[in-house]
Amino acid sequence: DTGVSQNPRHKITKRGQNVTFRCDPISEHNRLYWYRQTLGQGPEFLTYFQNEAQLEKSRLLSDRFSAERPKGSFSTLEIQRTEQGDSAMYLCASSTGTTQETQYFGPGTRLLVL
Amino acid sequence: AQTVTQSQPEMSVQEAETVTLSCTYDTSENNYYLFWYKQPPSRQMILVIRQEAYKQQNATENRFSVNFQKAAKSFSLKISDSQLGDTAMYFCASRIYTNAGKSTFGDGTTLTVKP
Repeated sequence: DTGVSQNPRHKITKRGQNVTFRCDPISEHNRLYWYRQTLGQGPEFLTYFQNEAQLEKSRLLSDRFSAERPKGSFSTLEIQRTEQGDSAMYLCASSTGTTQETQYFGPGTRLLVL
Repeated sequence: AQTVTQSQPEMSVQEAETVTLSCTYDTSENNYYLFWYKQPPSRQMILVIRQEAYKQQNATENRFSVNFQKAAKSFSLKISDSQLGDTAMYFCASRIYTNAGKSTFGDGTTLTVKP
């Protein structure tokens, strides 16, 4: 068990560019979550997957955001036409999906849009 | 909709002393979980303690304990015998039983343990 991993850890991009982040959950965890955390605030829920199915999306997830989990293992979060307001830490978490599940968080990807 | 409020942006405590972090929440649900997470500087968030709303007994994990007041919708975290390694951002969060995905977080309390 190597924990939840996220790549890259840091990303600097120019406004208007597309970026993609990857999350590798703990093996056998069938739920995967994406959160966004801006400076001085707590994480805000973006979306989550049960295996490969995306079951819920927050209104924060605009049309420019898309998330996938094609084989029920790793997940990608893509932001198209980035804006300065997208600058944040993007956190991934995974869990077993049982009733009393605990979400295990990754180290996050810090995005800076110039 | 659920909301979680942490009214103390920053706190400090002397090593070996006790500190209490406050959290209030609002939900219309009867069945939910409450959590405290710790996020050390530049490190990932980890779960400190959890409480099921149907349990009256307060959860404890070693030096960490909670004071869960369901009627008042209050969920404070007490850290006893504070250690330098407890320095971190602490987040209070809630999640309703029927929504496995979405946890709602407060804005956090930055705790500094002073030697």
